[in-house]
Amino acid sequence: GNSVTQMEGPVTLSEEAFLTINCTYTATGYPSLFWYVQYPGEGLQLLLKATKADDKGSNKGFEATYRKETTSFHLEKGSVQVSDSAVYFCALKSGGYQKVTFGTGTKLQVIP
Amino acid sequence: GAGVSQSPSNKVTEKGKDVELRCDPISGHTALYWYRQSLGQGLEFLIYFQGNSAPDKSGLPSDRFSAERTGGSVSTLTIQRTQQEDSAVYLCASSLAEAARGDTIYFGEGSWLTVV
Repeated sequence: GNSVTQMEGPVTLSEEAFLTINCTYTATGYPSLFWYVQYPGEGLQLLLKATKADDKGSNKGFEATYRKETTSFHLEKGSVQVSDSAVYFCALKSGGYQKVTFGTGTKLQVIP
Repeated sequence: GAGVSQSPSNKVTEKGKDVELRCDPISGHTALYWYRQSLGQGLEFLIYFQGNSAPDKSGLPSDRFSAERTGGSVSTLTIQRTQQEDSAVYLCASSLAEAARGDTIYFGEGSWLTVV
């Protein structure tokens, strides 16, 4: 079956530090990959996505590249801000079967 | 509507009582999902509806949980004889037809259930 593994949190960084949150997956077929973000007190929302190998999703300074050879979709940002403090979820959706599988989430705390 | 709407936003219930949680998906979205998020935990898949197909109920944790979707739109998640371990945020999400693999799913703000 499908599964998503992401790095354990919480992750605490100083403002302007570089961020990487690792995500690897196992899937049948050829999945689409997503990062969702949940800000404090808010609902989940899509951050970025990629639907085929070598695609790079990007939004709000965050990037993730779909690496089929390593089955990974690591989230990166060059310079984090306090406002990036949130829980980040990696997710996948397999073609032909639309149940979305989420990782356990990684809490990011950015301190001034 | 503009987004996925869930009600109630908060519910406190006594152990053993039944609860119903409602979800209004985005208009035109044929796929509807229920997930559960317990404190400090990730997202747990519960059930998935797609158009007129039989729902995928593989994530429902026990027979106390059931869900229906009427007219391909509104969905109700029912928990019978609630237990304290049912306390969680119940999230509903919807997306467009299954043909597009990359379709974003849109989440509601969740229904916070507390069983006391």
